[in-house]
Amino acid sequence: GAGVSQTPSNKVTEKGKYVELRCDPISGHTALYWYRQSLGQGPEFLIYFQGTGAADDSGLPNDRFFAVRPEGSVSTLKIQRTERGDSAVYLCASSFSGGSSTDTQYFGPGTRLTVL
Amino acid sequence: EDKVVQSPLSLVVHEGDTVTLNCSYEVTNFRSLLWYKQEKKAPTFLFMLTSSGIEKKSGRLSSILDKKELFSILNITATQTGDSAVYLCAVTNSNSGYALNFGKGTSLLVTP
Repeated sequence: GAGVSQTPSNKVTEKGKYVELRCDPISGHTALYWYRQSLGQGPEFLIYFQGTGAADDSGLPNDRFFAVRPEGSVSTLKIQRTERGDSAVYLCASSFSGGSSTDTQYFGPGTRLTVL
Repeated sequence: EDKVVQSPLSLVVHEGDTVTLNCSYEVTNFRSLLWYKQEKKAPTFLFMLTSSGIEKKSGRLSSILDKKELFSILNITATQTGDSAVYLCAVTNSNSGYALNFGKGTSLLVTP
């Protein structure tokens, strides 16, 4: 079946602009996660959705970052007033239920965001 | 704060060699340890380990967890050039069992 898909694959923007990154999870997965990966680092957790609600947004770095999942499937990560330090690969993952000890997260290919 | 340290950070081997990648961790209320392989962008799942001493195996890859000494190893035997990738180790805790806390990864290059 289809895996997690993310669009766009690459996004170049100017400092101060607004961007939206989209994630389409595996069909039937109720849990969805966003991570950010800077060069030479492992992915860092940003936010976790269970269904339509953000169950944990403690990893969002500041209030310029916001994410939604209005119908419990597709999610959009929104970044306002982008800064050069926001440049990274933004990874989305989904899992069947979220939170159980055997629940496995499957990752999408990511969106490489470059802020000039 | 949970901590995951992987070693070595990078490694170059010849095809056919056996490699061992290390992951040590400090986690409050440990729940699981996971290994992912990252080529280009998407990390792909390899193993999830929750119990000490039980080896997980998939083809030429195997992994084991030691919850007393707080580490895991990932072994790759008879390496191939297609094994070249970054191998990521991540842990979860019972407080936020969903959030993967990753190490920096080990970059493996297998030369012909």
